[in-house]
Amino acid sequence: KNQVEQSPQSLIILEGKNCTLQCNYTVSPFSNLRWYKQDTGRGPVSLTIMTFSENTKSNGRYTATLDADTKQSSLHITASQLSDSASYICVVSYMNYGGATNKLIFGTGTLLAVQP
Amino acid sequence: EAGVAQSPRYKIIEKRQSVAFWCNPISGHATLYWYQQILGQGPKLLIQFQNNGVVDDSQLPKDRFSAERLKGVDSTLKIQPAKLEDSAVYLCASSRASSGRFLRSYNEQFFGPGTRLTVL
Repeated sequence: KNQVEQSPQSLIILEGKNCTLQCNYTVSPFSNLRWYKQDTGRGPVSLTIMTFSENTKSNGRYTATLDADTKQSSLHITASQLSDSASYICVVSYMNYGGATNKLIFGTGTLLAVQP
Repeated sequence: EAGVAQSPRYKIIEKRQSVAFWCNPISGHATLYWYQQILGQGPKLLIQFQNNGVVDDSQLPKDRFSAERLKGVDSTLKIQPAKLEDSAVYLCASSRASSGRFLRSYNEQFFGPGTRLTVL
């Protein structure tokens, strides 16, 4: 069964600290993995997208890693800011219908709270 | 570039009533998605359109949910009649394409702000 699991479920850190969010997946055939940030009351916004051959990708203070062998990904946030408080969702894309379409499997997200 | 627009932003109805949500995707995006996001969970795909055709509606509760994209641009999602368990955020997303020669591209989905539905 295609699944995406994230940990921790929630996290509280102090402003300025770093943190790492984890994502494990059992999705096949793998197409790409994305990290989204979802602010309260808003739709998800893409942070990074990685294909099978990419091990790491950065977007400002956000750095995502991908280990396609172990089917694990992490999102590292450096020097956290109050505005980083949001839900971070890991999404894995796979090919369906004989390779005709891409489908997304969403994780349940990690709720991050950055406190002053 | 304008983003995905959705309306209304909030809706409160009583069970057994009907409700409709509207979505205007990013201009030029052929693929449109409707997702249901229950509190504390990730989005769940309800239906996917490619232009005005349905690509995937396998998780759409067809006895009460319906969606259309008649002219291949705007889309509406309707619930009739609503149940308590339909309380959720309904997200609309769009992308350039999800199949064919764009398959191996990133094909990023852009999400709207969502409509928060509360069924009492």
